[in-house]
Amino acid sequence: SQQGEEDPQALSIQEGENATMNCSYKTSINNLQWYRQNSGRGLVHLILIRSNEREKHSGRLRVTLDTSKKSSSLLITASRAADTASYFCATDENYGQNFVFGPGTRLSVLP
Amino acid sequence: DAGVIQSPRHEVTEMGQEVTLRCKPISGHDYLFWYRQTMMRGLELLIYFNNNVPIDDSGMPEDRFSAKMPNASFSTLKIQPSEPRDSAVYFCASSRGRAQYFGPGTRLLVL
Repeated sequence: SQQGEEDPQALSIQEGENATMNCSYKTSINNLQWYRQNSGRGLVHLILIRSNEREKHSGRLRVTLDTSKKSSSLLITASRAADTASYFCATDENYGQNFVFGPGTRLSVLP
Repeated sequence: DAGVIQSPRHEVTEMGQEVTLRCKPISGHDYLFWYRQTMMRGLELLIYFNNNVPIDDSGMPEDRFSAKMPNASFSTLKIQPSEPRDSAVYFCASSRGRAQYFGPGTRLLVL
């Protein structure tokens, strides 16, 4: 079964707007990561947040983690057409070394 | 660094044929992962290695799938015999810490 589940499955916004994607997971974790995948490409690591962190920033990205709710969110501010991609969360299921990926959110940023 | 290198990028073969996918991880990375991505099942971890040793192959779907890592700079994923349901994009990823670096993938079509 999927460890991470992203929500929504698809999101369409206008350029300049903010995009928020959510991820829920089932087991205890040490780390949660977010990745981006452009069409026809491999995944690219965006950001990692540890279980003892609540919020992390990287450029226009803001990630939050609520371990009590077993959920995380990825916020992309001032979106650009180049942000159009699928976004995946990945969790280290039961503190393992391998990360389990969710089904992803497809983000479309319209110019 | 050139990043994770995968070959071939595209493979079209007939059912029953042997398929070998190749991966060169980033130098210095001690973990290597093989994933399969399909629309129906998303991104699935097939197997991962640590220091060339297979750690978890529970994701390998059947005995038709095998993976090797003879040295730190090379890994193969072999499917023998191939079946149409093996059609997917196969990704190799490597890591030294928690962030995984993905290759561009091999798009496999089994007719």
